[in-house]
Amino acid sequence: AQSVTQPDIHITVSEGASLELRCNYSYGATPYLFWYVQSPGQGLQLLLKYFSGDTLVQGIKGFEAEFKRSQSSFNLRKPSVHWSDAAEYFCAVGAYTGTASKLTFGTGTRLQVTL
Amino acid sequence: DADVTQTPRNRITKTGKRIMLECSQTKGHDRMYWYRQDPGLGLRLIYYSFDVKDINKGEISDGYSVSRQAQAKFSLSLESAIPNQTALYFCATSDWDRPYEQYFGPGTRLTVT
Repeated sequence: AQSVTQPDIHITVSEGASLELRCNYSYGATPYLFWYVQSPGQGLQLLLKYFSGDTLVQGIKGFEAEFKRSQSSFNLRKPSVHWSDAAEYFCAVGAYTGTASKLTFGTGTRLQVTL
Repeated sequence: DADVTQTPRNRITKTGKRIMLECSQTKGHDRMYWYRQDPGLGLRLIYYSFDVKDINKGEISDGYSVSRQAQAKFSLSLESAIPNQTALYFCATSDWDRPYEQYFGPGTRLTVT
């Protein structure tokens, strides 16, 4: 069965600093990988996705993520964080389980941005 | 107007009460999902539906039931609420050919006392 690990529960960065959120996955085949963001009081919104091809994928709001098969990782990055990026970020792996296509989410990383 | 709406947004209920959470969508998607979010546990799938006649259990369906009244409406019921069902509940939708690109509602915060 697939699984996702987000080792950092909470990260604090200063506005304007760079950001990297870690994600490791476990899946036997080539994974479909996603990052979702949950702003306070909101539902989750898809930031970016990786299906195949170029291992560096661009998303909305200036985010990017890099798929590294050798490390089973899909880390999220942003060169310069804005205060509005404070939110909870979820990494997810999509897989067909034999009966349906399902998303498995990590436990999330809460990002705090200091001014 | 939001594409995926959930009612109520907040609810406090007592142990043993029956409660229904409702979800409506205007995206025209066939697939709808109910998730539960608990601190430190991420999101876990309760039920999902591919159309009005196709409803399936997720990983944590015990204590819950669902009804797909129409393509656009998917309700989650707790027949007899218990305190450990206190959580944030999300409804989501997706198109049939993009099942992993899900659109989420704003969530319902449920407290069972």
